[in-house]
Amino acid sequence: GESVGLHLPTLSVQEGDNSIINCAYSNSASDYFIWYKQESGKGPQFIIDIRSNMDKRQGQRVTVLLNKTVKHLSLQIAATQPGDSAVYFCAENMGPGGYNKLIFGAGTRLAVHP
Amino acid sequence: ETGVTQTPRHLVMGMTNKKSLKCEQHLGHNAMYWYKQSAKKPLELMFVYNFKEQTENNSVPSRFSPECPNSSHLFLHLHTLQPEDSALYLCASSQDPAREETQYFGPGTRLLVL
Repeated sequence: GESVGLHLPTLSVQEGDNSIINCAYSNSASDYFIWYKQESGKGPQFIIDIRSNMDKRQGQRVTVLLNKTVKHLSLQIAATQPGDSAVYFCAENMGPGGYNKLIFGAGTRLAVHP
Repeated sequence: ETGVTQTPRHLVMGMTNKKSLKCEQHLGHNAMYWYKQSAKKPLELMFVYNFKEQTENNSVPSRFSPECPNSSHLFLHLHTLQPEDSALYLCASSQDPAREETQYFGPGTRLLVL
């Protein structure tokens, strides 16, 4: 039979509200971070990235905050829309090492209700 | 569309079968990656290829055999798989393997091993 899968934390928000998705990363030497969005049946899609020499970076409707002291990353989505419903992953780059190696978190499911 | 395509999108195979997954990137990138995404674990890096050379094998069983004939194409050859290998197999690419930068993912191949 089917084994129990990963229990993803779920964030439920009302359409139009702001969403905040959090992520704790593991390696204090990581210096590049990415947020991905994965919709059902699709591969992860790049949303926004940030390097460790920054604390904040803004995109269109999204903002990423980086707190290196506590190894914490957050993704803020303004005016959340039904199309934002997906699983969101943070990823840290474990470089240097001569290549681009990403380690992914377990993900958070965002459910947007009308 | 991210510029990374994968075929087939779905595959069902028996434990004695041999099959191959194909990935092609149209982005002019020099690094390509295979990831496994299962219900039980976060996204896991399997293999990394830089300029057609394998630079990472993340302790992947030998029943998975990658091939990278050129910087645009990546294959994953499968033989004598186990039911626990059922998962979504994702291909990704990035521009410069020596830099910490975004990886772009394909839609994945959903594999079911019976």
